[in-house]
Amino acid sequence: DGGITQSPKYLFRKEGQNVTLSCEQNLNHDAMYWYRQDPGQGLRLIYYSQIVNDFQKGDIAEGYSVSREKKESFPLTVTSAQKNPTAFYLCASSYDRNTEAFFGQGTRLTVV
Amino acid sequence: QKEVEQNSGPLSVPEGAIASLNCTYSDRGSQSFFWYRQYSGKSPELIMFIYSNGDKEDGRFTAQLNKASQYVSLLIRDSQPSDSATYLCAPTRGWASKIIFGSGTRLSIRP
Repeated sequence: DGGITQSPKYLFRKEGQNVTLSCEQNLNHDAMYWYRQDPGQGLRLIYYSQIVNDFQKGDIAEGYSVSREKKESFPLTVTSAQKNPTAFYLCASSYDRNTEAFFGQGTRLTVV
Repeated sequence: QKEVEQNSGPLSVPEGAIASLNCTYSDRGSQSFFWYRQYSGKSPELIMFIYSNGDKEDGRFTAQLNKASQYVSLLIRDSQPSDSATYLCAPTRGWASKIIFGSGTRLSIRP
């Protein structure tokens, strides 16, 4: 079955630690996105990529980094520079810039 | 001005009635408009999309787009308790190659 897989579903991070969230899609989509959602809030764009080896900052990129070495993979690293990383992280992909995005199941990150 | 504005709600609608959800956007270059439904703790799922001015119907859902007024809406007929969720409006910014989401309207269908 085609889809987007995010892992892990739950992640706990210690202060000062970098963590990487995985996102894999087998939909053959060119575009991939990372969003952050805080409780009771909408989705805020962290990074997006329209093609392999290229990505752009979204509205809240500080403290995050990404790579796009393969079409199907778009991992997100939450660095120690991100001071308030506790949130629900959603990865999405779309065929191109003007088509609908499909979402993974999300990763809930908590700082302990 | 926010790029995408939605009334946060909660919007309470009796079962069987019509729920009307509204969204305004600031970028006149937006070409595609999506409505997503998000249940608490889950990821958003696409329920409707619209590209052209006018109405588009799909089952109990109707999307309405007015590009001149920069306004898009979603009507849900015969509302069911399962429609209780947050609805996110998402226009594209074609020139910037990204999808922008509104903060969502929380809809509650009361029996």
